[in-house]
Amino acid sequence: KAGVTQTPRYLIKTRGQQVTLSCSPISGHRSVSWYQQTPGQGLQFLFEYFSETQRNKGNFPGRFSGRQFSNSRSEMNVSTLELGDSALYLCASSLTGEGYEQYFGPGTRLTVT
Amino acid sequence: AQKVTQAQTEISVVEKEDVTLDCVYETRDTTYYLFWYKQPPSGELVFLIRRNSFDEQNEISGRYSWNFQKSTSSFNFTITASQVVDSAVYFCALTVYNQGGKLIFGQGTELSVKP
Repeated sequence: KAGVTQTPRYLIKTRGQQVTLSCSPISGHRSVSWYQQTPGQGLQFLFEYFSETQRNKGNFPGRFSGRQFSNSRSEMNVSTLELGDSALYLCASSLTGEGYEQYFGPGTRLTVT
Repeated sequence: AQKVTQAQTEISVVEKEDVTLDCVYETRDTTYYLFWYKQPPSGELVFLIRRNSFDEQNEISGRYSWNFQKSTSSFNFTITASQVVDSAVYFCALTVYNQGGKLIFGQGTELSVKP
């Protein structure tokens, strides 16, 4: 089975711009979660989607949003980028998300200048 | 609220030494799940093990073993006869029932195994 894929792998954006990251889960997995990883804050949960609905949300401002499509693929969007948004964004998929292990993609490294 | 604490920020050992990575968790929920992940220098998080709160049986997988003790809220990870390839950052994580796919991670322990 193919693993979780994320595109793009690297991205450089300017403050104020917006960005969309994409995630394709493992075939058959219906839950997709997003995490932000930074040296200072570590790994932080952004949100989770299951069957095209946001099921859980972390403590991030409304500039961070996401969606899931009927084929379970997911996108996350960050609007009005700030320097502090520079991070590794990780996507993870699991069968249903409810206590099942999550499998992570390679991440998208976002740099905001 | 849930919390995971990995008090060891960095550990350095010489190859073939045994090493234990500590993980202490906090939750008031009775149904929860614990995980360990490995993040090598390449950056991709690799799933190692999952445990639910009703299964305190310890587990061994090759050189890896896990000790789950509810009485001390700990889920420790031991690598026996460490190898250079074990060098990575290791994360302990927690999720609780009805929280879906929300993992709460510890800060991670960076393990360096020197030849």
